Amino acid sequence: QQPVQSPQAVILREGEDAVINCSSSKALYSVHWYRQKHGEAPVFLMILLKGGEQKGHEKISASFNEKKQQSSLYLTASQLSYSGTYFCGTEGTGFQKLVFGTGTRLLVSP
Amino acid sequence: GAGVSQSPSNKVTEKGKDVELRCDPISGHTALYWYRQSLGQGLEFLIYFQGNSAPDKSGLPSDRFSAERTGGSVSTLTIQRTQQEDSAVYLCASSLDGLSGYTFGSGTRLTVV
Repeated sequence: QQPVQSPQAVILREGEDAVINCSSSKALYSVHWYRQKHGEAPVFLMILLKGGEQKGHEKISASFNEKKQQSSLYLTASQLSYSGTYFCGTEGTGFQKLVFGTGTRLLVSP
Repeated sequence: GAGVSQSPSNKVTEKGKDVELRCDPISGHTALYWYRQSLGQGLEFLIYFQGNSAPDKSGLPSDRFSAERTGGSVSTLTIQRTQQEDSAVYLCASSLDGLSGYTFGSGTRLTVV
């Protein structure tokens, strides 16, 4: 079952923060986050595993609430380069394929 | 190679013709995935190969679609008797194992006219 992302779209000014949520109706083993710029392939951002810690690099971090089957992606002090569509991908057990979410379009303006 | 390579990058075909799409994954990556993405839409799973295990074909939309992976490396996705609804970008990805992120290729844009 496809995870649901919210919001569907968000517009930010450079320097503002954003949170993107990903919810699943199934128990999750892992959550991946990807960013896709227009006309390009998705690029891997990070993976969160069941029982793991909150992950982050630079000003992008994520959390994983196993009990609620939810993950959130935090974008801090957004930059123009953050613009794109963000997808979460989930798997119910390890070593399976990802089911990708509905996507969140992010536009960062100057 | 340095990344996942897909060919051709663009393919225009007539309705009813067969097409073959190729994916060359990162060397050493045991897992290989095919997804497709229609214009402005999300990523739809098609098929997954993991090492020597039987592939997970649960996402193939019809029996017109098939895929194989030879020697644990290169994969070919074949669409027979193409239909207009097959038009999409077909993305291949590979990963080192089931716990690693996916590296996607640039995709093949298929247009059925």
